[in-house]
Amino acid sequence: GDSVTQTEGLVTLTKGLPVMLNCTYQTTYSPFLFWYVQHLNEAPKLLLKSSTDNKRTEHQGFYATLHKSSSSFHLQKSSVQLSDSALYFCALSVTGGLSGKLTFGEGTQVTVIS
Amino acid sequence: GGIITQTPKFLIGQEGQKLTLKCQQNFNHDTMYWYRQDSGKGLRLIYYSITENDLQKGDLSEGYDASREKKSSFSLTVTSAQKNEMAVFLCASSMDRGRAEQFFGPGTRLTVL
Repeated sequence: GDSVTQTEGLVTLTKGLPVMLNCTYQTTYSPFLFWYVQHLNEAPKLLLKSSTDNKRTEHQGFYATLHKSSSSFHLQKSSVQLSDSALYFCALSVTGGLSGKLTFGEGTQVTVIS
Repeated sequence: GGIITQTPKFLIGQEGQKLTLKCQQNFNHDTMYWYRQDSGKGLRLIYYSITENDLQKGDLSEGYDASREKKSSFSLTVTSAQKNEMAVFLCASSMDRGRAEQFFGPGTRLTVL
């Protein structure tokens, strides 16, 4: 079946440093990838999405590129802020599969310190 | 814009009790979802519905029932609450199944004593 892997469970870093959160996926169908962000005690919100191979997508200083050759959709930011402290989820949707549901990764908890 | 409302915000139940969580959306979205979020874990799909009166099982449907009475509302029932169970249940909706952005509600936090 379809799956999403986020290798980092917890990431702690200092304000102003760059960050990369890993996301790889497995599917036999055409993928559509999402990044959601969930701040403490809030609902998850969409951060980025893409289905186009090798095209960078950006929003609120975050960016990601879908690479179908390596089945990856890593999330990056060049300079993190304290407000970026949150739980980040990578999610996969497929076309042509038996259902259109999203498959989520386990999430990466990011803590930014000053 | 629109909003998703979940009630109640906090739910405390007893072991074996049947508990119902409610979700309302005013996006006029066709598809609605129920997810379970355990501490430190990702979202797991319990049920989803692509239209009124439709129900589709997710990966975690055992122990739950759902009901889509009308387009704007989607209910989830925990058929028999498990002792020491703690989780957040998130409702979401989207324009179509999977490809469009899912909008999430604030969640219902369940504690079973």
